[in-house]
Order: sequence, then C-alpha cells, then structure tokens
Amino acid sequence: SAVISQKPSRDICQRGTSLTIQCQVDSQVTMMFWYRQQPGQSLTLIATANQGSEATYESGFVIDKFPISRPNLTFSTLTVSNMSPEDSSIYLCSVELASDTQYFGPGTRLTVL
Amino acid sequence: DAKTTQPPSMDCAEGRAANLPCNHSTISGNEYVYWYRQIHSQGPQYIIHGLKNNETNEMASLIITEDRKSSTLILPHATLRDTAVYYCIVRVGGGSEKLVFGKGTKLTVNP
Repeated sequence: SAVISQKPSRDICQRGTSLTIQCQVDSQVTMMFWYRQQPGQSLTLIATANQGSEATYESGFVIDKFPISRPNLTFSTLTVSNMSPEDSSIYLCSVELASDTQYFGPGTRLTVL
Repeated sequence: DAKTTQPPSMDCAEGRAANLPCNHSTISGNEYVYWYRQIHSQGPQYIIHGLKNNETNEMASLIITEDRKSSTLILPHATLRDTAVYYCIVRVGGGSEKLVFGKGTKLTVNP
C-alpha cells in the first residue's frame, strides 16, 4: 500500500478565490488521480496526472477551472479556481501502484461561501 | 456510468457475516472486480479485487460466480467499525483505466 497525505484537510473559502490542494505520497508513482465528491454523492474523476505530461481531464472538467501540477513522482497539486458554492466538495487524490490498485488520500473538505 | 448494480442499503448484526452482492452482467474478460469502502466521508479504502477466482485477505473474501456476472463481498465477522458505503467497481487491469464509482451499498452494522 501507500501512505498518502493531503493538505489542507479542510478549508472555508470565499467565492471568487482559489485554493490549491497538495497531495504527497511516500513512494514514487507514475499515475495520480484527482476526484471530487459532492455532498451526498459518489466520487467523480476530475483528471489523471502523470509525471512529465499534461493532465488528462474528464468530460465536464477543464484545465482553467482545475489546473493540476505534477512536478515529480511523489507530489501533485490541484487548484480549484474562481470558486463558487457549487465547488463545495471533498477533493481526493489517489495513486496507482504496481499491484493494479488505487489508494486514496484522506481528502480535502472544501466549503465555499 | 458505473457498470455495476448494488443494493442501496443493507443491515447486519454485529458479529455476523455481512454478504454484499454486486451485479456486473456486462463485465469483459479482462476486467477485474474491485471493492472499496468509504467510512463517513474519509478517503475510500481498498478492500480486495479479483478476476475470476475467489479471493481472500485479512479484511474480506470475494466470491465471483463462474460466469463472472455477479460477485459477493463477505465480511466474516462484521463489527460496528465496518459501517460504511461499499463500492463494487469493474475495471481493466494494468493501471491505465480510471475507477468509476457508482452509488454503492450503505452497510449498517447494528449492535
């Protein structure tokens, strides 16, 4: 398995501002993923972030709104830009290990006022 | 869309086995069955996965039917801490495909 940490664990932000969420893993991984979980809903993939290449976004998610960085094999950031109350969600990162299994971080709970 | 169908909720008595069913009638030959659980908005926790043979680990057992169109996750001795939403997901092995989460089954373990 992998130990994954996210910062911040939670935040309350004002609409129109941006928040950058960090994801750190304790081993080198090629594939990292960012998910969103809206209140009362299941998880939805935002994008896949591979080191050394541009992130691949799912339908309904765009780079201008959710820019992602992947500077090395143990770290990634997701920025939620120009936030609105509809962006209030839990944001989770996950990593894919050689065992064909994804492991998830603890999540970042975002509330936008 | 998710390729699996699960009951929305189930109850289980503490100490008894919890059997969570999942239908995946359109599963392809190279797709695995994965189970995750999510305890009260924490990050999902990996439980087990399998291709066609039954699998067992320290957390649970996975029983896959011979035609692979359905499976059952078994928690042999459920505890209150097993109360969670359980997700059954089918995915191609090899790490290149995303996980598609459905609504899952909310398992409540009662004292």
